[in-house]
Amino acid sequence: QVQLVESGGGVVQPGRSLSLSCAASGFTFTNHAMSWVRQAPGKGLEWVAVISYNGGNKYVADSVKGRFTISREKSRNTVFLEMNSLSPEDTAVYYCARGRTTTNFSPLDAWGQGTLVTVSS
Amino acid sequence: DIQMTQSPSSLSASVGGRVTITCQASHDIGKSLSWYQQKPGKAPKLLIYDESHLNTGAPSRFSASGSGTDFTFTISSLQPEDIATYYCQQYDDLPFTFGPGTRLEIK
Repeated sequence: QVQLVESGGGVVQPGRSLSLSCAASGFTFTNHAMSWVRQAPGKGLEWVAVISYNGGNKYVADSVKGRFTISREKSRNTVFLEMNSLSPEDTAVYYCARGRTTTNFSPLDAWGQGTLVTVSS
Repeated sequence: DIQMTQSPSSLSASVGGRVTITCQASHDIGKSLSWYQQKPGKAPKLLIYDESHLNTGAPSRFSASGSGTDFTFTISSLQPEDIATYYCQQYDDLPFTFGPGTRLEIK
């Protein structure tokens, strides 16, 4: 069955970096765009980044532009989110999600369990 | 950016009752709208995509309609397991944006 497993979350000091991973299984990884979505404690969902099925197109939200980078490695069926210059406002559960199709412009039909990132001194 | 609004922000309904949530986009998004269900402490689940298509495995009591800027999500007969927060999301244009959510409770 389709499975997305995030890892890499934890507590980090403001200004530091953290890298999240999402290991995918149970489907053909290269047939789907992949996204990251975050949820601050007690808040709603915020889309963060998307990468196309072949990694050729990447987009990030303005709130993280210049600080976060999304990438994917097909040999490992894994998508990454590199986060730099973290601030307390980045504290959230980060979800990896699969796009329903190859295009970036598709709904998110499978989600990981999420990994918590806490930015605090 | 396309702004998404939802109403109501919360509602209480009886088991077996009909529930309706509305979602409005600040710009025309065609039919590029999805609905998600999120239970406390869990990841969101896709229920509806492309405005009205029921995702595989989602119960048929969930439905949706609309296009352009105005959309409606309906639960025809509320079940206890439907207690959750529901979000709409547009994927017509970047950045993809979610509505603020509607918290559904049992009366």
